[in-house]
Order: sequence, then C-alpha cells, then structure tokens
Amino acid sequence: NAGVTQTPKFQVLKTGQSMTLQCAQDMNHEYMSWYRQDPGMGLRLIHYSVGAGITDQGEVPNGYNVSRSTTEDFPLRLLSAAPSQTSVYFCASSPWTGPYYEQYFGPGTRLTVT
Amino acid sequence: AQSVAQPEDQVNVAEGNPLTVKCTYSVSGNPYLFWYVQYPNRGLQFLLKYITGDNLVKGSYGFEAEFNKSQTSFHLKKPSALVSDSALYFCAVRDGNNFNKFYFGSGTKLNVKP
Repeated sequence: NAGVTQTPKFQVLKTGQSMTLQCAQDMNHEYMSWYRQDPGMGLRLIHYSVGAGITDQGEVPNGYNVSRSTTEDFPLRLLSAAPSQTSVYFCASSPWTGPYYEQYFGPGTRLTVT
Repeated sequence: AQSVAQPEDQVNVAEGNPLTVKCTYSVSGNPYLFWYVQYPNRGLQFLLKYITGDNLVKGSYGFEAEFNKSQTSFHLKKPSALVSDSALYFCAVRDGNNFNKFYFGSGTKLNVKP
C-alpha cells in the first residue's frame, strides 16, 4: 500500500492563479480530509468528505473547493490564490466516520503564494 | 466550542530522562483524544488514542498518555527519552457534536539532548 499520496510536494503560485492539490489513498477509506498547517497554529481543517459525492466544510473553508467523485481521490482547489494561503497542506484519511479511528496523513504540499 | 491547548511551545529533556508533553482539551460529550508526531518535512504519524476505559493509554515507540477527566487533560509521557524522539507533537480531539471534525493543538517541539 502506498497509503496517502499528495502531489505536488512544492508549488509556487502568483496571486490570483488557480491550482489543484491532489490527494489519493489506496486503503479504501471512506473519510478524507484536508488541513493546513501554519506555524504556531497547529492543523486546521479545511474540508472533509465522508464518502464519494459527500463533502462538507471544516474550520477554514474560505477560498478552497473540494469534490469527491471516487473513494480514492479528494482534490483541493484554490480558485484564486492569495498570500494568506501560503501554508503546508496535508491530506488525511481514515477507515470510517466513527469516533474510534485515527487518521493517516500524506506527506504534505508546501505552497507559497507571492 | 471544542478546543485543544498545548501550553508549551517547546520541551527540552536529556536522553534517558522521563518526558511529559502537556495537553488540555475542551469538548462537549465524550472526549476522543489522539496524539500524533511529526518529523521534519513529513506528515503526521499516529501515536496513540483515548476512546474509553483505562486512563493510561499505551501507544507506539514506548509512548503512553494519561487521561484525566477532572482536569480535562491528556498528557503524553515516556519513561526514558531517546534523541530520536525529537520531533513536533500534536494533541487532537474529535468534535463531540460532529465526529467528522478534528481540532488540533498548536504543537509542542520536543528536543531530547544526548
């Protein structure tokens, strides 16, 4: 199993550009999520999905879109990048949506918006 | 509101000494608590979790955590620290009203000196 994979590892964008961060998992997990990590703030939930076709907002959803067309993939779209979106982005998955399961994290994407 | 606090940005300990990384939480309903570790330029790795039952939870790499309901704390401990334990540690709690949401602390950097 590759686990949770993310591409790209690094990305530099100019303000106003759009891009998609890719996330895939091969563990057949129902639950997937996106976080951003900023210094001194820990991880903050952006969006999550409990299955194909079902997504919902987390703590900091503004400026980001998601969709879930398959169990395996959960891409994160930045429609018009802003410097405030400079961060490290992590995708995670877990087997089910119940309270007992921990999350499995990808290696992260470091995004810089100039 | 659900929240997690890690009051120490950094903890320094000598190799071979016991270590404690502190975490307090605020959550409605039953607490489901987790500890994760992050090594430089890597994603988060699961260490241990409290679901219900014993107040002392044992996890990976010799780590354990003590759950204290009256103090709303979930401190991470290890009897004898290793230099290789040096990393960033995050405490997390599931939202008691919506299990699909996690809240993370701001992280504690553990430095173990030889």
